[in-house]
Amino acid sequence: DQQVKQNSPSLSVQEGRISILNCDYTNSMFDYFLWYKKYPAEGPTFLISISSIKDKNEDGRFTVFLNKSAKHLSLHIVPSQPGDSAVYFCAASENTGNQFYFGTGTSLTVIP
Amino acid sequence: EAGVTQFPSHSVIEKGQTVTLRCDPISGHDNLYWYRRVMGKEIKFLLHFVKESKQDESGMPNNRFLAERTGGTYSTLKVQPAELEDSGVYFCASSQLQRYGELFFGEGSRLTVL
Repeated sequence: DQQVKQNSPSLSVQEGRISILNCDYTNSMFDYFLWYKKYPAEGPTFLISISSIKDKNEDGRFTVFLNKSAKHLSLHIVPSQPGDSAVYFCAASENTGNQFYFGTGTSLTVIP
Repeated sequence: EAGVTQFPSHSVIEKGQTVTLRCDPISGHDNLYWYRRVMGKEIKFLLHFVKESKQDESGMPNNRFLAERTGGTYSTLKVQPAELEDSGVYFCASSQLQRYGELFFGEGSRLTVL
């Protein structure tokens, strides 16, 4: 059973607007969360992370929000750029840190 | 500094044949992971090495899959005999031996079993 879920397979956003990608998880033992970006024919590349002791982490145009009570995190991209068009994966790990669980990904298209 | 490299980038084999995928992690990275993505699905964990030891192989689908990491450097993942459902992209990732670190992924090896 999937422990990390990305229920939106795709998202289209106009250039300059905000992109919001969502992720839900079921395992309350998860304490570290990451977002990865993947271009076609490439491996995923790390984007931003957050540990469970925080509820927000910001890096330039990218902000990740964590709502532990709802077991929900989101990635905000502001402003969105055409180069942000990619598949975004949410990932989580337990406090034992042995493995990362990934979602199915959300394909973001930023329209110029 | 070289990233994680994987070979081959694409392999097409027939059901029943054997394929060996190779991964060279970033130098100095003790953690090495194998993941697989079947079309449109999640990136699914297969196993985790710490240096040459298998830390967790709970994600290996069955005994047709064998992973090794001799000397704690590069790793191989052998599928023997391959079945149709083994098709997908196999990703290798590495990280330093620390908690809360990021994974660095290779470009993946696409396996097509006909």
